[in-house]
Amino acid sequence: GENVEQHPSTLSVQEGDSAVIKCTYSDSASNYFPWYKQELGKRPQLIIDIRSNVGEKKDQRIAVTLNKTAKHFSLHITETQPEDSAVYFCAAPRTGTASKLTFGTGTRLQVTL
Amino acid sequence: DSGVTQTPKHLITATGQRVTLRCSPRSGDLSVYWYQQSLDQGLQFLIQYYNGEERAKGNILERFSAQQFPDLHSELNLSSLELGDSALYFCASSVGLGGPSSTGELFFGEGSRLTVL
Repeated sequence: GENVEQHPSTLSVQEGDSAVIKCTYSDSASNYFPWYKQELGKRPQLIIDIRSNVGEKKDQRIAVTLNKTAKHFSLHITETQPEDSAVYFCAAPRTGTASKLTFGTGTRLQVTL
Repeated sequence: DSGVTQTPKHLITATGQRVTLRCSPRSGDLSVYWYQQSLDQGLQFLIQYYNGEERAKGNILERFSAQQFPDLHSELNLSSLELGDSALYFCASSVGLGGPSSTGELFFGEGSRLTVL
């Protein structure tokens, strides 16, 4: 099955700085990599995703990069704001007849003023 | 609002008891997933149903079971509860099977917080 590792587990940045969260996956056949944001006490929500036919995708202040050769993908948040404070989860699908998303262990991002 | 409805929102029970968590997926979504999130932990996949049939199983204990009904709502049954079962249980739904060839997005409900005393 798929194994997804996520680093760091906690990240503190000052408002306006950039934040980078990295994930590695094990299944070379995986081709879809989403990122979910979970605010305190709330449900996880998809914020951006990337498929293996592209190397980078941007949406305003967030971007995701993918390196299929190295089997890792990263979330980049620029010009961080207090409302970016949350837990971020990466995920990758397990291929084969049984499909499910395997989530990373999460990164708690704290944006300080 | 994701369109996924979970009940109850909170549940407090004692060890050894049995509870049922209910989930109604988004209109049109055929897949339902159950995830367990313990305090400060990640999202542990439990089980997936697609159009009434079990499609994938994760680290679901034998004391737990689930089913998806013809109207596509799903129930997660937790029995012989232990203290360690205290967690936030999320239901999510997606249009398709959620595999690599699909859009993949999961829509999560607000979760059911289970406290076992």
